[in-house]
Amino acid sequence: DIQMTQSPSSLSASVGDRVTITCRASQSISSCLNWYQQKPGKAPKLLIYGASNLQSGVPSRFSGSGSGTDFTLTISSLQPEDFATYHCQQCYSVPGTFGQGTKLEIK
Amino acid sequence: EVQLVESGGGLVQPGGSLRLSCAASEFTFSRHWMSWVRQAPGKGLEWVANIKPDGSEKYYADSVRGRFTISRDNAEKSLHLQMNSLRAEDTAVYYCARVTVAGTAWDYWGQGTLVTVSS
Repeated sequence: DIQMTQSPSSLSASVGDRVTITCRASQSISSCLNWYQQKPGKAPKLLIYGASNLQSGVPSRFSGSGSGTDFTLTISSLQPEDFATYHCQQCYSVPGTFGQGTKLEIK
Repeated sequence: EVQLVESGGGLVQPGGSLRLSCAASEFTFSRHWMSWVRQAPGKGLEWVANIKPDGSEKYYADSVRGRFTISRDNAEKSLHLQMNSLRAEDTAVYYCARVTVAGTAWDYWGQGTLVTVSS
């Protein structure tokens, strides 16, 4: 199975900050990488698919980049509703493995 | 708005069985692959099983193969997960999720149903 590693595991930031979360795959996955946002007690929500494509309805402050093994999720200006856990997931091969998650907390 | 509503979770003893269901609405259910994804308490997400739109192909995570069975009823717009020989490590919130038409992401998720395996 392809292993996905996110960093950092947790992050403290303030409203208005620019934040970057990294996801690394154990082998090349081309651009088959998705990002999900999950708030406590809620289901995950698709933010970015295919490494850089913004899902419909997702604010433009979210962006994704990368290919091969290294990917990033960037939030350009943190809003209060962005404090959540973020998961990357590879879609290159079955099983579609997830990273361990990055918890974004308010500083 | 697409809706996925899971049911059937609860407390079950090790070795027991449980059947989860997911009711879908507001989209053409029969056109989409569907999945079950789970999340153990305080842990990350784990894909469990996939099923093709017509039900002819099914795929399972190694951790559940031989114990869990995914199925669907397109006429009823419902997805199911039959879980047998349950273990403590199967304790998790189980989500029903819709696969995108492109087949590469889960674009809609249910609210989840909690399965607790404990004596």
